[in-house]
This record gives sequence, structure tokens and C-alpha cells, in this order.
Amino acid sequence: QAQLQQWGAGLLKPSETLSLTCGVYRGPFSVYYWTWIRQPPGKGLEWIGEVNPSGTPHYNPSLQGRVTISIDTSNKQFSLKLSSLTAADTAVYFCAGAYCGGDCYPTLKYPMGVWGQGTTVTVSS
Amino acid sequence: IVLTQSPGTLSLSPGERATLSCRASQSIPNNFLAWYQQKPGQAPRLLFYAESSRAGGVPDRFRGSGSGTDFSLTVSRLEPEDFAVYYCQQYGSSPWTFGQGTKVEIK
Repeated sequence: QAQLQQWGAGLLKPSETLSLTCGVYRGPFSVYYWTWIRQPPGKGLEWIGEVNPSGTPHYNPSLQGRVTISIDTSNKQFSLKLSSLTAADTAVYFCAGAYCGGDCYPTLKYPMGVWGQGTTVTVSS
Repeated sequence: IVLTQSPGTLSLSPGERATLSCRASQSIPNNFLAWYQQKPGQAPRLLFYAESSRAGGVPDRFRGSGSGTDFSLTVSRLEPEDFAVYYCQQYGSSPWTFGQGTKVEIK
């Protein structure tokens, strides 16, 4: 199965834009829904959004308008951008993949089975 | 869909049985309910999907069950490595949502 490695800036100021990338290794790329999830300090998990194998995104309405998830199939990477940051966006951000195989539409049918290592993002002036 | 997990914390000894509950605010389509285990400083690990289908490498002392709005995760005999936080997640109705977690701690 795929293995994920993520990277990006960890310390940002309010109003800036978070940018994280997740690389997919040792596995197929176009049979997964690629997903971002975050976890504020000491709290639970929040689904940010996903992009399907054809590149169509699907976002959590709570973040709609601030979030962009995109894929780069040639480099087997996918990315997260979150704009207009506030302290409430401070969290560990995880990339993850939900395998869909040959049954990817109209929606995913399996949850996130592969995860990146997480990136701590702190928003502070 | 709001998922409510109970109890918030479960204090048990190794060898004991653990039963964790996840209740949904409305019926989850296709019983698309997953369970994850998370240890400190690590990413979550998928344990079950579609309510009772075991993910690869998950020991058979773990069991997922339930349907509709009421789901449970049972660990028949706790091993030292099972002490962790467990989350349920529904992926049947967008936006996908997680429960707040149940911490299983050593008594």
C-alpha cells in the first residue's frame, strides 16, 4: 500500500496562508481519495477535505472559501492551502489516503487507511 | 452527522475487556462507520471500516459491531499496546465527521 511523507512550513502568522504537500511513495496514486485532516492541540480530529482520483475536490463546509486541495499526478503529490489563518487553525495537520480501487465514483467507499506522519502548524504573531 | 463517543475515558487493567460506544445523530448510510486507534505523537491507525470489516494487521481481539446509529468497538482482552485513544468516524454522509474520542488508560 502507499506510504505518505508530508512537508511544509510549521510557524505562520495570522492572515497568512498555510501550504502543505504530501508525497505518495511505494504505491499507486490514482486509486485513492487524497485527504487532509487536522487535530488541534489536545483535541479530536477534523476532516478538512479531499480530492478524488480525477482531481475533483470536496471540502468541509466549515472551511469552504479558505481551503484548496489539489493533486499533481505526475509527481505523485497532493497539496493543501488554507488562507486567512487565525490562532484557531493551530493544529497537527495529517495527509491521508482512502483507497477506492476500481470503484471510485460517485463517492468514496472506504475510510482513510494510509496516513502521513503529521505536521505541527502554529499560527502566532 | 454528529458522533458522540462514550465513555470519555475508560480505566482498565491489562487482560480486561473494553467496550467503547459511538452514537450517531442520524442513521449512517451504508453503515459507513470506521474506528481508528491513535497513540501519542502518532497518526491514527485504521482498525475497522464499514462498521465491522477489520483492516489489515488488526488483531482479532478487536471487534467492531453495530448499525444505524449505534456502534461499538470491543477489545476482548486488553494488551499493553492497546492503551490509546480511539475515534469513530462516519464517511457515509458529507461532511465526514469524527467522534471526540475515548481514551483507554491503564488502571
